Amino acid sequence: QVQLVQSGAEVKKPGASVKVSCKASGYTFTTYGISWVRQAPGQGLECMGYISTYNGNTNYAQRLQGRVTMTTDTSTSTAYMELRNLRSDDTAVYYCARSHTSSFGSWFDPWGQGTLVTVSS
Amino acid sequence: QSVLTQPPSVSGAPGQRVTISCTGSSSNIGAGYEVHWYQHLPGTAPKLLIYRFNNRPSGVPDRFSGSKSATSASLAISGLQAGDEADYYCQSYDSSLSGYVFGTGTKVTVL
Repeated sequence: QVQLVQSGAEVKKPGASVKVSCKASGYTFTTYGISWVRQAPGQGLECMGYISTYNGNTNYAQRLQGRVTMTTDTSTSTAYMELRNLRSDDTAVYYCARSHTSSFGSWFDPWGQGTLVTVSS
Repeated sequence: QSVLTQPPSVSGAPGQRVTISCTGSSSNIGAGYEVHWYQHLPGTAPKLLIYRFNNRPSGVPDRFSGSKSATSASLAISGLQAGDEADYYCQSYDSSLSGYVFGTGTKVTVL
């Protein structure tokens, strides 16, 4: 079955970087893009951006531009999201999700199990 | 705040029907971008409920349905069950932000 399995929880200090992995299985990795979504404690879902697993093209949320980098390793069917210069308000559960695309937008299914990133001094 | 607005909460008795609105604007739903809906139970990954306004993935019961009007969309849950208690989010694309956005989220409570 289609499955996305993410790396484990991380605790980081302010100013540090974190890199979360998302390993896909059960389908041909390069036929669907990967999106990243996060949820801070008590908050709603926030789209962080998208990466094409076919050609590596990316589209990042404006508010994260300059701090986030999304990459893929097609040899291992794994996507990565790196967030730099971490702040306390980056504390959140980070999800990867397979992106389905039409001419009028994209939707996300399935999702990884989530990775808790805690930023604390 | 999100460009897609949802009511913070809705509630209903078991068996009743509830609807959740998702109000957008001319840069997202009004521009023709599709709306999708997710169910999110605490501690679990969000689950796709409805895609492209009114399509259900396999395994999603037909108690869940979606609809669209000019600049808004709605999710209806009929035959409300205790297991439907969760947070529900709409999602679309916004051209002014050049990115995908989620609604503010709605907590469904079964009385």
